[in-house]
Amino acid sequence: AQKITQTQPGMFVQEKEAVTLDCTYDTSDPSYGLFWYKQPSSGEMIFLIYQGSYDQQNATEGRYSLNFQKARKSANLVISASQLGDSAMYFCAMREGTGRRALTFGSGTRLQVQP
Amino acid sequence: NAGVTQTPKFRILKIGQSMTLQCTQDMNHNYMYWYRQDPGMGLKLIYYSVGAGITDKGEVPNGYNVSRSTTEDFPLRLELAAPSQTSVYFCASYPGNSYNEQFFGPGTRLTVL
Repeated sequence: AQKITQTQPGMFVQEKEAVTLDCTYDTSDPSYGLFWYKQPSSGEMIFLIYQGSYDQQNATEGRYSLNFQKARKSANLVISASQLGDSAMYFCAMREGTGRRALTFGSGTRLQVQP
Repeated sequence: NAGVTQTPKFRILKIGQSMTLQCTQDMNHNYMYWYRQDPGMGLKLIYYSVGAGITDKGEVPNGYNVSRSTTEDFPLRLELAAPSQTSVYFCASYPGNSYNEQFFGPGTRLTVL
């Protein structure tokens, strides 16, 4: 069975600083995808970044980067130059490589950016 | 493209009532999903579909039913609502390409009193 663990229920960061949100995963499937979604207080799920299990390089999307350490089974999200609008819940998720292709989510990290 | 749409946005049900949550996508995706999100938690899979006419249970299917008669629509039926079904319900779709994310609808906030 797949499992995602986010050990930081809440994090604070100063505006313009970088922050790392932790995510570890467990799977026996050699093919999988790792995702980060942002959920602001309005409730929608916003896709941020994706990393495939066979990708050689860490994924980057603007201010977001994914620190993928396959041997450690970790997929931490790094947000550079934090902005007040980054305050939200952040979910790490994993998709199975075959079959139903559903997402398994972690419990989330609430990030608060302070001015 | 409208993406994934869900109706209603909010609903209050009494214990024992039934209702259908609607989900429609206009991206011709084969895979569709229903998740629920309880307060302060991540999303959990209720049901999924890999194409029209094909549905199967996820991790938390009890108290729910689904159907998939067309590629576009994937309604979720709640029979005999219970307070434990108070949650936010998200519908999502996915094209099947490894490098695409799941596309989520805006969610339906359901309260059962």
